[in-house]
Amino acid sequence: KNQVEQSPQSLIILEGKNCTLQCNYTVSPFSNLRWYKQDTGRGPVSLTIMTFSENTKSNGRYTATLDADTKQSSLHITASQLSDSASYICVLRRTNAGKSTFGDGTTLTVKP
Amino acid sequence: DTEVTQTPKHLVMGMTNKKSLKCEQHMGHRAMYWYKQKAKKPPELMFVYSYEKLSINESVPSRFSPECPNSSLLNLHLHALQPEDSALYLCASSHPGTGGVGQPQHFGDGTRLSIL
Repeated sequence: KNQVEQSPQSLIILEGKNCTLQCNYTVSPFSNLRWYKQDTGRGPVSLTIMTFSENTKSNGRYTATLDADTKQSSLHITASQLSDSASYICVLRRTNAGKSTFGDGTTLTVKP
Repeated sequence: DTEVTQTPKHLVMGMTNKKSLKCEQHMGHRAMYWYKQKAKKPPELMFVYSYEKLSINESVPSRFSPECPNSSLLNLHLHALQPEDSALYLCASSHPGTGGVGQPQHFGDGTRLSIL
């Protein structure tokens, strides 16, 4: 069982709509949680990074939240655009080992 | 444009060939990473260099040989690869973080490798 599980696996929404992607984790302790966006054929790009003590972080239309009690993070995308079509990956950096654990990602398709 | 530059963008090679992948960054990051990514899967860590020294090798077969000639460059030497090694190879960099292994901050756009 992956220590970082993302849902849904894929999502299709209409342009202009909002959506929320989920990341549930069992990694503990961890030093930070990062959300990446990966366009097809490109490398991942960091959207937000939160330490374990932060609750929310925004980057334009992207807002990430973290609930350490329920071990859940979410990425909310507001007023989606066609260019938001990509894979979104949740990654936690473990404190002790220092290595990062990747979720399997959510593939988002925004249709006109 | 990404701040981590990888060359070549595409590479096709036979199983007996020897080739190298190159990665360069000028952000002053002292941790550099190699990842392998198969289609529709997240990146899988292969190697981590911290301050130009190999700090993590995720039990990668010896047909992959990393090299970090200086703080800006990272190479991955390939020899006698197998068809299942066909994948996107990503390089990343970051500040070293606690224990010398940080979290990859900037990724390159990768080298698409195909083994015939």
